[in-house]
Formats: sequence, structure tokens, C-alpha cells
Amino acid sequence: NAGVTQTPKFQVLKTGQSMTLQCAQDMNHNSMYWYRQDPGMGLRLIYYSASEGTTDKGEVPNGYNVSRLNKREFSLRLESAAPSQTSVYFCASRSGTGGYEQYFGPGTRLTVT
Amino acid sequence: TQLLEQSPQFLSIQEGENLTVYCNSSSVFSSLQWYRQEPGEGPVLLVTVVTGGEVKKLKRLTFQFGDARKDSSLHITAAQPGDTGLYLCAGASYKLSFGAGTTVTVRA
Repeated sequence: NAGVTQTPKFQVLKTGQSMTLQCAQDMNHNSMYWYRQDPGMGLRLIYYSASEGTTDKGEVPNGYNVSRLNKREFSLRLESAAPSQTSVYFCASRSGTGGYEQYFGPGTRLTVT
Repeated sequence: TQLLEQSPQFLSIQEGENLTVYCNSSSVFSSLQWYRQEPGEGPVLLVTVVTGGEVKKLKRLTFQFGDARKDSSLHITAAQPGDTGLYLCAGASYKLSFGAGTTVTVRA
């Protein structure tokens, strides 16, 4: 039982390049989330998927797109990377029943030069 | 502007001392969670408090939810170097909102 996995762990992009961050969970959770974490700003929600087949914008969606590929996988795409997107990205999942407890992956550290 | 304000932002103490971290908001939450995050890893859930006035203990950690369900505190007794990390509070309404975190360093 691996929980939430993310790939890659580190990535360096040049301005304008695109890339997709992958996330998968093996806990049969309904809801999945993408956050970014910047110093002094906590975790900010980019996009979320309440259930398979649905996605919604969070607080900071500009410059990102997501795909809920199936119940297990939720990917985050940067179409044209900008230096302001340099951050640590976390994927999380939640069962969708009961409380709001979320389970996080190990993160992807992205640098855009 | 953060919906949840955590204080202090940084805390450095000697092993064996006690510490308290605060999490305050003007909003009411249905529940509040505390997470701990170590460098290079994702946050890990420590506890969820649900009822106003609730107190939960997890070994040397004591969590309290305010009576009005707007604030919470985390108290660590006799801190150890293994308690070092970033402590995040998160309030649940229709979504989860995170505070900016308190970085705790416990020196041996």
C-alpha cells in the first residue's frame, strides 16, 4: 500500500516549456487535489476533483490544467511554464466520506528558469 | 490574506522545553486538522478536532479546539528533536484551508 505517489520528484524547466505532473493513489479515494506550497504562504489549492469525471478550480488555477484519468490518477499540466510557477507541488487524496482528512504525496519540486 | 493565521511563524527551543503553537481565524469551521511536515516530504495528518472545546492528546502533544470552533492550539510537552518540523493547521468548511505553518526546531 503505497498511499499517494507523485512523479517526478524534481524538475527544472525553461520558461515556456510544458510538462505534466503525475499523481496516483491506491486507497480507493474519491477526491483528489493539487496544491502548491510556497514559503510563508502555506498550501494553496490549484485544482481538485471531487469524484472521477469531475474537476474544479481552486484558489490559484491560472496557468494550470488537470485531468482525472480514472479513480486512481490525477495529473497536473503546465502548458507554458513561467518563473512564478516555481514551487513545490503536492497531490493529495481524501475518501470523500466522513471527515476532511487528506493524505499527501511526497511532492514535486519544480524550478522554472 | 490567510484565512487561518498561525503563530509564531518560527519557534526554536531546547530539548525538554514545552511549546505552544496557535491557529486563529475569524471563520467557523466544522473541523480543524493539524499536520506535520518534514523537509522533502508531504504533510502527515496528526489529529482532527471536531467539537468546540474538544481536547485531544497524542502522547506528548495536546490539541485543543476553541469553543466557537474558530481557533485551535497545539501544545508539545518536553519537546524532543524528533518533534522538529513544519506544523500546519487546516480548517474544514466546504473545503480545506491551510495556515502558513509554524516551523519548530528542537535543539538537542
